[in-house]
Amino acid sequence: EAQVTQNPRYLITVTGKKLTVTCSQNMNHEYMSWYRQDPGLGLRQIYYSMNVEVTDKGDVPEGYKVSRKEKRNFPLILESPSPNQTSLYFCASSRRAYEKLFFGSGTQLSVL
Amino acid sequence: AQSVTQLGSHVSVSEGALVLLRCNYSSSVPPYLFWYVQYPNQGLQLLLKYTSAATLVKGINGFEAEFKKSETSFHLTKPSAHMSDAAEYFCAVRIDRGSTLGRLYFGRGTQLTVWP
Repeated sequence: EAQVTQNPRYLITVTGKKLTVTCSQNMNHEYMSWYRQDPGLGLRQIYYSMNVEVTDKGDVPEGYKVSRKEKRNFPLILESPSPNQTSLYFCASSRRAYEKLFFGSGTQLSVL
Repeated sequence: AQSVTQLGSHVSVSEGALVLLRCNYSSSVPPYLFWYVQYPNQGLQLLLKYTSAATLVKGINGFEAEFKKSETSFHLTKPSAHMSDAAEYFCAVRIDRGSTLGRLYFGRGTQLTVWP
């Protein structure tokens, strides 16, 4: 089944404790991206990747890191999480940047 | 600067009534436009997209949207609402220009409630 898999689904952590949210797609898509969803703000793009080893900043990249060493994986790294990073995070992929995005199920992150 | 504005954070309609969700964008070049739907506790799914082939775009579940360049709008409509349409709807725009290639801008979303 074609899908984008994010893990974990829920995560509670404390300020400053490094964490990684994994994202994997099995559709051989070139384009992958991360978004955060906050009430009243919609989705805001954090980082995106046009292809392997190519990543770029979105609207809200501060406090986040990404890497794209393989085509299928695009992990989101929070080196030192802070409470303002409490949010619902989505990973998405598409064959090309302008095509239909396939979304993961989301990761609800709480930073205490 | 690119932006997407969705007028109305909440829209309520009766079952069988017309659904109209508004989206305006700002862009100096022709954009790619999308409507996505999010059901509770799920990720987003594509309803339809505009890529300059036709101004009236038909999507899934009976939804359609019309691109109006003069009004910089891409409003989403459905002639007759169904209870299962209750969800949050997001308009998104991608500007195909070198410095913003790969950037996707979402509106703040419109929560659609359908009354029986």
